[in-house]
Amino acid sequence: GAVVSQHPSRVICKSGTSVKIECRSLDFQATTMFWYRQFPKQSLMLMATSNEGSKATYEQGVEKDKFLINHASLTLSTLTVTSAHPEDSSFYICSARGADSARLSVFGPGTRLTVL
Amino acid sequence: DQQVKQNSPSLSVQEGRISILNCDYTNSMFDYFLWYKKYPAEGPTFLISISSIKDKNEDGRFTVFLNKSAKHLSLHIVPSQPGDSAVYFCAASSTGTASKLTFGTGTRLQVTL
Repeated sequence: GAVVSQHPSRVICKSGTSVKIECRSLDFQATTMFWYRQFPKQSLMLMATSNEGSKATYEQGVEKDKFLINHASLTLSTLTVTSAHPEDSSFYICSARGADSARLSVFGPGTRLTVL
Repeated sequence: DQQVKQNSPSLSVQEGRISILNCDYTNSMFDYFLWYKKYPAEGPTFLISISSIKDKNEDGRFTVFLNKSAKHLSLHIVPSQPGDSAVYFCAASSTGTASKLTFGTGTRLQVTL
């Protein structure tokens, strides 16, 4: 079946630094990728939707200059948390959907970000 | 504004019995619903889905029921197994937004021996 990977699985960084998270579709071409964030014991909140080759669409309240999303190829999307602060510590999850996947997308394993 | 709600944060069920997880939604534009299972520090795993043109979908031990008039859906797991212990999220989407999902807050299911 379709598999989505994320790298790194967990990262600890100092406040003020930038962190890049990769999301890859391993055996299919992902025309659309989604980035979610989950705080402890809370729901998954959609941050942004990215289509290959175009700018990401951000949800209300998500700063596009802080959370940079690049979807340069059909198998890779990256999320860069710029100038990270402790409140950005969260579990970041991507999902990917292929052109023929109707309305079902596959989730990656997530990345745990801790900002000190 | 929580458009998808799971009012029970946790549920404990004995092995072999039926687990019933509930989900309510407020957005009448939602026409596709999914259930995901999630373990800590892992991404969600798709379980089962249902389109608004149906009121029931079954896959092995998992059955999802949809009551559109009540804007309510439920996931039945029978028989429940210890390996089913996880957090279950319901999610919803509408045709206009394709796979953009709105998630509920999750229900932690504990299946006891």
